[in-house]
Amino acid sequence: DTGVSQDPRHKITKRGQNVTFRCDPISEHNRLYWYRQTLGQGPEFLTYFQNEAQLEKSRLLSDRFSAERPKGSFSTLEIQRTEQGDSAMYLCASSLSASAGSPLHFGNGTRLTVT
Amino acid sequence: QQPVQSPQAVILREGEDAVINCSSSKALYSVHWYRQKHGEAPVFLMILLKGGEQKGHEKISASFNEKKQQSSLYLTASQLSYSGTYFCGTGGGSTLGRLYFGRGTQLTVWP
Repeated sequence: DTGVSQDPRHKITKRGQNVTFRCDPISEHNRLYWYRQTLGQGPEFLTYFQNEAQLEKSRLLSDRFSAERPKGSFSTLEIQRTEQGDSAMYLCASSLSASAGSPLHFGNGTRLTVT
Repeated sequence: QQPVQSPQAVILREGEDAVINCSSSKALYSVHWYRQKHGEAPVFLMILLKGGEQKGHEKISASFNEKKQQSSLYLTASQLSYSGTYFCGTGGGSTLGRLYFGRGTQLTVWP
């Protein structure tokens, strides 16, 4: 169990640029989640996948955000035309099953700074 | 739908006890508890499911009152390693979809 890994750890970009983050979940986990966290707040749900199917996407999420999990393994989160308000820690998590009793295993996150 | 956590912050001496509360305005099926240290990922502590079961993990335990839509996390004889921010995450169904996380409770334990 190597844990959930995210890449890059830090990303600084200029407003208007596109950025893409990668998440590699724990290998046998079929659920993958993206959350966003800002200073002093709890993680805020963005979207989640069951294998390669995207099952839910937050209505708060702008159309500039898109996520994929093409082969049911790693996932990418892309933000187009970044804005300063997108600055946050982007957390990926995976879980073994769809049961409500299945814990989330979080990665260390990608910290995005939009200048 | 974000649960409300209280208190916002707690400062303890080693060996003291603390209680962190999490309440929701929506019916709950599950409550997850995580601890996050500065600059690190949230780490799973425990999950409570509908049924009011109290769970324990060494000196950390939790309860879930589904009628009141509340959960409490109990930390007894706190250790320095307990310092961090504690989050509750709430779910409304028997399958794990999105969790709504509270704003967190910052716990500081001093020697």
